[in-house]
Amino acid sequence: SQTIHQWPATLVQPVGSPLSLECTVEGTSNPNLYWYRQAAGRGLQLLFYSVGIGQISSEVPQNLSASRPQDRQFILSSKKLLLSDSGFYLCAWSGNYVAGRGYEQYFGPGTRLTVT
Amino acid sequence: AQKVTQAQTEISVVEKEDVTLDCVYETRDTTYYLFWYKQPPSGELVFLIRRNSFDEQNEISGRYSWNFQKSTSSFNFTITASQVVDSAVYFCALSEAGANSKLTFGKGITLSVRP
Repeated sequence: SQTIHQWPATLVQPVGSPLSLECTVEGTSNPNLYWYRQAAGRGLQLLFYSVGIGQISSEVPQNLSASRPQDRQFILSSKKLLLSDSGFYLCAWSGNYVAGRGYEQYFGPGTRLTVT
Repeated sequence: AQKVTQAQTEISVVEKEDVTLDCVYETRDTTYYLFWYKQPPSGELVFLIRRNSFDEQNEISGRYSWNFQKSTSSFNFTITASQVVDSAVYFCALSEAGANSKLTFGKGITLSVRP
């Protein structure tokens, strides 16, 4: 079965510090990978998605970046954090498109980031 | 462009009451997929159900049931005899068909079930 891991689970960082959040998937190959952010009391915002190694699409302009150095590894980074980067970050994966099923996404446990 | 509207923001019920969570969507595609996810206080999103646009058959799974109506572009979710463990944020989401299509989420409904 497939599992998705995220770490760290919680993080408190000062403004201006760098950020690196990691997501890994087990039990599948060539997944689509996604980073979402959920600000307090709000819905999910798609930040990045990747359909393969080195292939990253950005959904919103921001001071965050994403990388996919390996097939099942997805990293979210920032060189200098802003207060507005605080939130709950979720990684998700989906398999290949299947007619009748589309792209079901499965989510990791999330990382709660507080920028102080 | 696709859009998902969850007009209800917060619902509070007493245990054992039935509750319906509404979801209305917009898409220009004829082939699309609808999803419901549950986000308990722990934060992880849990996949509940998927329907495709060609399958309007309603579904019941235990205390959960889903009513998909293309004529009104709605995909509503009902919990029968609610329990405290049902307390969570519930998200409706839409995905169009085709390569690399992404999920569009509604803003979520916070359900509180009081004992």
